Amino acid sequence: QSALTQPASVSGSPGQSITISCTGTSSDVGGYNFVSWYQQHPGKAPKLMIFDVHNRPSGVSNRFSGSKSGNTASLTISGLQAEDEADFYCSSYTSNTTRVFGTGTKVTVL
Amino acid sequence: QVQLVESGGGVVQPGRSLRLSCAASGFTFSDYGMHWVRQAPGKGLEWVAVIWSGGSNKKYADSVKGRFTISRDNSKSTLYLQMNSLRAEDTAVYYCAKDPGVRYYFDYWGQGTLVTVSS
Repeated sequence: QSALTQPASVSGSPGQSITISCTGTSSDVGGYNFVSWYQQHPGKAPKLMIFDVHNRPSGVSNRFSGSKSGNTASLTISGLQAEDEADFYCSSYTSNTTRVFGTGTKVTVL
Repeated sequence: QVQLVESGGGVVQPGRSLRLSCAASGFTFSDYGMHWVRQAPGKGLEWVAVIWSGGSNKKYADSVKGRFTISRDNSKSTLYLQMNSLRAEDTAVYYCAKDPGVRYYFDYWGQGTLVTVSS
């Protein structure tokens, strides 16, 4: 199972919106509405930000939103804040009932 | 509140074995699937293995199949990862993560335990 493809880095100024893409295949991202997104600050465990493509867990800011089209899922962060600077990973359920992560995206707040 | 605490990491020589543990609390452990996820130094997340709530069904990443074994003791609310024939490329922080139940994401994570495979 190959890792899902994410851009290595995305940056934006405070207040701006950025979008991170996550591209897979019809055997993972495209085949199921089971894409999730995780935020990871340096030295910390990942934190769930979005599940089932577009759902936010309780306590996660509504500045984070998710979507999917075909084999590509996206995470949008609106009103970018300094605390959003972190690594972000997508994950998907796969056709052989395993899981796969994206390659990871470093978000920089300029 | 949900807590997952990994232990058992350390430095081990190539070809040797190590067993990781993940002690769970704050939820009914036997009701949920559990995963191991790892992260090599400076690298991204890699899913390693899952075990269903009852312990009978398990799945592994190709990179560890045949070498790693995931197991659980529901009476002790503890998840395990037996790692055999370790390689340098297995060096990583190993996280245990909870499955929310018949869903396909990780809702809680432990703080991780570092495994270093080196001679």
